[in-house]
Amino acid sequence: GNSVTQMEGPVTLSEEAFLTINCTYTATGYPSLFWYVQYPGEGLQLLLKATKADDKGSNKGFEATYRKETTSFHLEKGSVQVSDSAVYFCALTASGTYKYIFGTGTRLKVLA
Amino acid sequence: KAGVTQTPRYLIKTRGQQVTLSCSPISGHRSVSWYQQTPGQGLQFLFEYFSETQRNKGNFPGRFSGRQFSNSRSEMNVSTLELGDSALYLCASSLESGQRYQETQYFGPGTRLLVL
Repeated sequence: GNSVTQMEGPVTLSEEAFLTINCTYTATGYPSLFWYVQYPGEGLQLLLKATKADDKGSNKGFEATYRKETTSFHLEKGSVQVSDSAVYFCALTASGTYKYIFGTGTRLKVLA
Repeated sequence: KAGVTQTPRYLIKTRGQQVTLSCSPISGHRSVSWYQQTPGQGLQFLFEYFSETQRNKGNFPGRFSGRQFSNSRSEMNVSTLELGDSALYLCASSLESGQRYQETQYFGPGTRLLVL
């Protein structure tokens, strides 16, 4: 079946550090891949997405590249800020289905 | 455009009671999904509705049910509440433009349910 695996958190970084949050997936066909972010006390909001292999999604300095050969969609940011502290969720939808599959989430703490 | 709204935002119930949560999707969105979020289990899919029909269902007991109205608003109901039902319940809507698997879901702020 379809699944998403994310690295365990929490991830604690100093401000301006480089961020990588790993995400790998298992899916039949050609899934679309998403990163969502959840700030404290809020619902999830879309951060970026990629719908086909080699696509790069980017937003607010975050980037992720859809790598079909390694079935990965790692999230990166060159310089994190305290305001990036949140929980990040990797997710996929597979063609022919109507269901989102979410990873377990990775909590990021950025220290000033 | 207004975002996804959920009511109530907070709720306290006791074991054995039932509860109904409401979700109003973004105007024009036809699909509504529900999720349960807990610290231990993470984000778990409950069900998804489109055109008043349940199109997909997660692995939850029959105590969890939902429905969608003709204006796309949705409700979910939990009967015979258990302590383990304490969670943040999130609703999400999407447009359904035809490319379903590329759709972005837009989440509401959630309803936090505490069962005592």
